[in-house]
Amino acid sequence: QKEVEQNSGPLSVPEGAIASLNCTYSDRGSQSFFWYRQYSGKSPELIMFIYSNGDKEDGRFTAQLNKASQYVSLLIRDSQPSDSATYLCAVGGGGNKLTFGTGTQLKVEL
Amino acid sequence: DAGVIQSPRHEVTEMGQEVTLRCKPISGHNSLFWYRQTMMRGLELLIYFNNNVPIDDSGMPEDRFSAKMPNASFSTLKIQPSEPRDSAVYFCASSLEPVNEKLFFGSGTQLSVL
Repeated sequence: QKEVEQNSGPLSVPEGAIASLNCTYSDRGSQSFFWYRQYSGKSPELIMFIYSNGDKEDGRFTAQLNKASQYVSLLIRDSQPSDSATYLCAVGGGGNKLTFGTGTQLKVEL
Repeated sequence: DAGVIQSPRHEVTEMGQEVTLRCKPISGHNSLFWYRQTMMRGLELLIYFNNNVPIDDSGMPEDRFSAKMPNASFSTLKIQPSEPRDSAVYFCASSLEPVNEKLFFGSGTQLSVL
């Protein structure tokens, strides 16, 4: 069983719509949760992090965490073509290690 | 700040050859991580250092892989001998205590072993 699971996609949404990206994790002791964006051929870039249950908003991005369900999501409002990328969910435990999911490819269509 | 700097950007080599990948972390960051990314397995942590000391190398696939961090501004990942299944993108990342988990990635090295 993979420790961090994401649907590989592609997830296609029209421009201006809300994109919803989901991630589940297996380790109940996980304490920190991250979303990285990776454009094709580029390196991952941190866009959001969340540590507590609930929602955290930053501009068009909202991260949602539900530790009871072991579920974390990323919402992108008013999706733009420039949001087209692979989104990697990463989960951290008590140490310095992050475990990454394999990513969800998002395509924002004109 | 120049960010995390990796070299080379691309490496093509033949099976059996030694490969050395290099990384310069962001100045002041005291944790350094080596990741490998493939389509099938995604991003996998190979090894990480804290204050130049290897803390966890459980992700190193086998003895053919070795990593060093002789000082705070330089690290190497060596594969000897290389095999075709080592073909992947290798990323170096650094972070700053106490928020070790917020990683800043280098541009990566695309390794092709023929």
